[in-house]
Amino acid sequence: GQSLEQPSEVTAVEGAIVQINCTYQTSGFYGLSWYQQHDGGAPTFLSYNALDGLEETGRFSSFLSRSDSYGYLLLQELQMKDSASYFCAVRDRTGGFKTIFGAGTRLFVKA
Amino acid sequence: GAGVSQSPSNKVTEKGKDVELRCDPISGHTALYWYRQSLGQGLEFLIYFQGNSAPDKSGLPSDRFSAERTGGSVSTLTIQRTQQEDSAVYLCASSLVGAGRQETQYFGPGTRLLVL
Repeated sequence: GQSLEQPSEVTAVEGAIVQINCTYQTSGFYGLSWYQQHDGGAPTFLSYNALDGLEETGRFSSFLSRSDSYGYLLLQELQMKDSASYFCAVRDRTGGFKTIFGAGTRLFVKA
Repeated sequence: GAGVSQSPSNKVTEKGKDVELRCDPISGHTALYWYRQSLGQGLEFLIYFQGNSAPDKSGLPSDRFSAERTGGSVSTLTIQRTQQEDSAVYLCASSLVGAGRQETQYFGPGTRLLVL
């Protein structure tokens, strides 16, 4: 089976840097995705890592270590609008396009 | 150029009634996914369709749930004899396929279902 673990809540101040971790267990692995969801809104895609290392997209970066079954999302120069839930997700080789999401990390950005 | 659309946006029904939820994916997206999200929880995979292949129904919680996709486009999720525990937001997503494009799913706004 597949499972993902991520912290339930993280709080940070505006302008700071925050890291949201995700560990996963899958039987086979394609890559790790990250989605953002604001309250009452739909999830939106942020990033995808298939290979080890850091992928940078503006203020957001995502890291993957396949050997450690671990990844993280790094948010820099935090803004109030970054307050949202962040989900990591995996698609398992045995599951076709079936995608499993973590329970989500609620990020609170304080002034 | 529209995104994924879902209807209705909200649905209130009585326990035991059947409901149909509709999803219109982005034009040209061959993969379509249904998820369920309870308040404050993560996304629970229900089913996905990819082209003409048999759908993966492994996430459907019971035989009261079914889904179909007509003409490779619009999809309908049907819940029969609704129960209060079915209350949740039902999210639909679509994606392209191939060369890693399936890793980016585009979500609709969801249908908020409340079973009284």
